Amino acid sequence: SQTIHQWPATLVQPVGSPLSLECTVEGTSNPNLYWYRQAAGRGLQLLFYSVGIGQISSEVPQNLSASRPQDRQFILSSKKLLLSDSGFYLCAWSFGADNQPQHFGDGTRLSIL
Amino acid sequence: GENVGLHLPTLSVQEGDNSIINCAYSNSASDYFIWYKQESGKGPQFIIDIRSNMDKRQGQRVTVLLNKTVKHLSLQIAATQPGDSAVYFCAENMGWGKGFGNVLHCGSGTQVIVLP
Repeated sequence: SQTIHQWPATLVQPVGSPLSLECTVEGTSNPNLYWYRQAAGRGLQLLFYSVGIGQISSEVPQNLSASRPQDRQFILSSKKLLLSDSGFYLCAWSFGADNQPQHFGDGTRLSIL
Repeated sequence: GENVGLHLPTLSVQEGDNSIINCAYSNSASDYFIWYKQESGKGPQFIIDIRSNMDKRQGQRVTVLLNKTVKHLSLQIAATQPGDSAVYFCAENMGWGKGFGNVLHCGSGTQVIVLP
């Protein structure tokens, strides 16, 4: 069966510091991968998605970036964090076909001080 | 613009009773919907999905109903248990027209509270 791992679970960073959140999927090949941000009491905001190695699509302009250096690895990065980057970040995967559910990791709670 | 949203932010239900959570969508071209359960501090957990060529789909203690005429779907939980306490939200597949499947648009969710 497939599993998805995200780390760290919580992170406290100062404003202006860099960021690297990592997500890996096991048990499948060539998954679609996604990064979301969830504000408290709000829905999920899609940040990035990827259909393959090195292929990244961005849904919203921001100071975050994503990379997919390996088939089952998805990384969310920033060079300089802003206060507004605080939130709950979720990674998800799906099979690479239409109308497939996305399966989420347990998220990273990011607090910017 | 297109929107997927929930009618009720909080639903309190007695343990053992049935729960019904509603969701409205505005994109008539949507062809795939998913219900997720999210417990505090955790990632969303897939519950059940339904394609637009179906009106109803049943799982273990859960049933999803889709009414395309009024663009409404609901999640029914039978014999609600304390472990069902969570936020439930619906998601709409926005992948059509993007040349890429499975981009989800999600509602903000309904908090279900199971009372003893």
